[in-house]
Amino acid sequence: SSELTQDPAVSVALGQTVRITCQGDSLRSYYASWYQQKPGQAPVLVIYGKNNRPSGIPDRFSGSSSGNTASLTITGAQAEDEADYYCNSRDSSGNHLRVFGGGTKLTVL
Amino acid sequence: EVQLVESGGGLVQPGRSLRLSCAASGFTFDDYAMHWVRQAPGKGLEWVSGISWNSGSIGYADSVKGRFTISRDNAKNSLYLQMNSLRAEDTALYYCAKELYSSSWYAFDIWGQGTMVTVSS
Repeated sequence: SSELTQDPAVSVALGQTVRITCQGDSLRSYYASWYQQKPGQAPVLVIYGKNNRPSGIPDRFSGSSSGNTASLTITGAQAEDEADYYCNSRDSSGNHLRVFGGGTKLTVL
Repeated sequence: EVQLVESGGGLVQPGRSLRLSCAASGFTFDDYAMHWVRQAPGKGLEWVSGISWNSGSIGYADSVKGRFTISRDNAKNSLYLQMNSLRAEDTALYYCAKELYSSSWYAFDIWGQGTMVTVSS
């Protein structure tokens, strides 16, 4: 099965730009989706596909991809963006297999 | 309102079984693949199992293969997870999630609030 690798923790100053990355072989074939999870809450989809945001997700969230690396960028990070972020993709070894990255804890300073 | 509501969690002894349910509302259930995702206390998200709209395609994580069985009843707008031979490491909050997909991406756009499963003697 495939794996997705994320940095465990990233920090950003309030109002600055931060990039959270996700690496894995499956990302050469499929775009990652990205989820935000705050303590005690269910995950929320923030980016999917090439760079699509669900309704209600601020436009400071964007996604990109190159080779085996997907990135989530927050431009002008806000205090409310402090959360855990997970990437997710289809596992390249099977049609109905999926895989999550280990998650990145984002701290807004 | 689009909603997923899980139920069936609880405290269970190692080796025993439990069946989780997920009730869907607010969307055409049989148009979408559905999945189970779990999160152990203080840990990250782990994909558990997924099922296509017509149950024709099913997948399991290696950690649960042979012990868990996913199913759905489109007439009842419901998703299920039969968990057998439970282990302490299966202790987690279990979420059901609705999947969107295209040819090059897959995403879980709707999540339930989860049901807690604790495996302990």
